[in-house]
Amino acid sequence: QKEVEQNSGPLSVPEGAIASLNCTYSDRGSQSFFWYRQYSGKSPELIMSIYSNGDKEDGRFTAQLNKASQYVSLLIRDSQPSDSATYLCAVIGQNFVFGPGTRLSVLP
Amino acid sequence: EAGVAQSPRYKIIEKRQSVAFWCNPISGHATLYWYQQILGQGPKLLIQFQNNGVVDDSQLPKDRFSAERLKGVDSTLKIQPAKLEDSAVYLCASSPSGLVNEQFFGPGTRLTVL
Repeated sequence: QKEVEQNSGPLSVPEGAIASLNCTYSDRGSQSFFWYRQYSGKSPELIMSIYSNGDKEDGRFTAQLNKASQYVSLLIRDSQPSDSATYLCAVIGQNFVFGPGTRLSVLP
Repeated sequence: EAGVAQSPRYKIIEKRQSVAFWCNPISGHATLYWYQQILGQGPKLLIQFQNNGVVDDSQLPKDRFSAERLKGVDSTLKIQPAKLEDSAVYLCASSPSGLVNEQFFGPGTRLTVL
């Protein structure tokens, strides 16, 4: 089992819709969870951090964490074409591990 | 404030050759990371330095990869000899505090091994 798993996508949503990105992790002792956005040919940039169960909102982004289910998600409300990118889930457990990323395409 | 600098931006070599990448972190950042990102995958942490000491190199293939950070500032990552599977983008990042949520990534070096 891979340490951090994500659907590879691509996930296509129409402009203005909610995009839902999911991530599962295997290390039950993981404590810190991150979402990065990576545009094609660019470096990753951190968009959300979450450390405790529940929801954390920042503008159009909401991160959700459920440690019992070993599941973390990212919701993007009012999706814009500029949100089209690969979204990487990253987890700190015994190591700092990135998932493979989900490619999101927001269609005008 | 200048960002993390990396060079070269692109490198093409043949298998069994050697290659070196250079990284200059943001001024004052004590922690420096090297990642390998293979196409279609997330970055994999290869090595983490705190000043000029190694904090974590558990995922560095030490038979062919080496890294150093002399004087706690610039760092070089070397591959000797390169294999086809080393084709990837090599990302350098730095952080003032050692916290990954405070790390800033450089533009990366794209390595192609033929």
